[in-house]
Amino acid sequence: GNSVTQMEGPVTLSEEAFLTINCTYTATGYPSLFWYVQYPGEGLQLLLKATKADDKGSNKGFEATYRKETTSFHLEKGSVQVSDSAVYFCALRNAGGTSYGKLTFGQGTILTVHP
Amino acid sequence: GAGVSQSPSNKVTEKGKDVELRCDPISGHTALYWYRQRLGQGLEFLIYFQGNSAPDKSGLPSDRFSAERTGESVSTLTIQRTQQEDSAVYLCASGGLNYNEQFFGPGTRLTVL
Repeated sequence: GNSVTQMEGPVTLSEEAFLTINCTYTATGYPSLFWYVQYPGEGLQLLLKATKADDKGSNKGFEATYRKETTSFHLEKGSVQVSDSAVYFCALRNAGGTSYGKLTFGQGTILTVHP
Repeated sequence: GAGVSQSPSNKVTEKGKDVELRCDPISGHTALYWYRQRLGQGLEFLIYFQGNSAPDKSGLPSDRFSAERTGESVSTLTIQRTQQEDSAVYLCASGGLNYNEQFFGPGTRLTVL
């Protein structure tokens, strides 16, 4: 079945540091890939997505590239801010079948950014 | 409303009691999903609705769990005879026809004592 593996956290960085959160996946067919973010006290929000190989999703300074050859979708940001402190989830979406749209999530990575 | 809403936000119950969790999706969204997030773990899929039918119930952990949906509106997740391992945050999400994005509610935190 489908699965998503994220780097274990928590990750603690200083403001303006470079961020990478690794994500690899196992899936049949051609899934779409997502990063969701959960800020303290808030619900899950879509951060960015990529629907086919070599696509780059980007939003709020974050980027991730869909690499089919390495089955990866690593999240990066060049300069993090305190306001980026949150839990980040990598996810994939089944392509077709009876659960079109169902998401499979990684375990989440807690990011804390200090001033 | 503007987003997905869930109620209650918190529920504390005693082992063996039944609980009902409610989800109000975004108006017009045909797809509705329930997920569970146990402490320190990722989200687990529970059930998917398209309209008021449920083509995929494969994530429901046991027959103590059931869910229903009224048309393309409210959904209720029921857990009978709750156990301590049912303690988790239960999240609902809804999506439109193109399935490009799911919008999540704030969740219901269930604690079974």
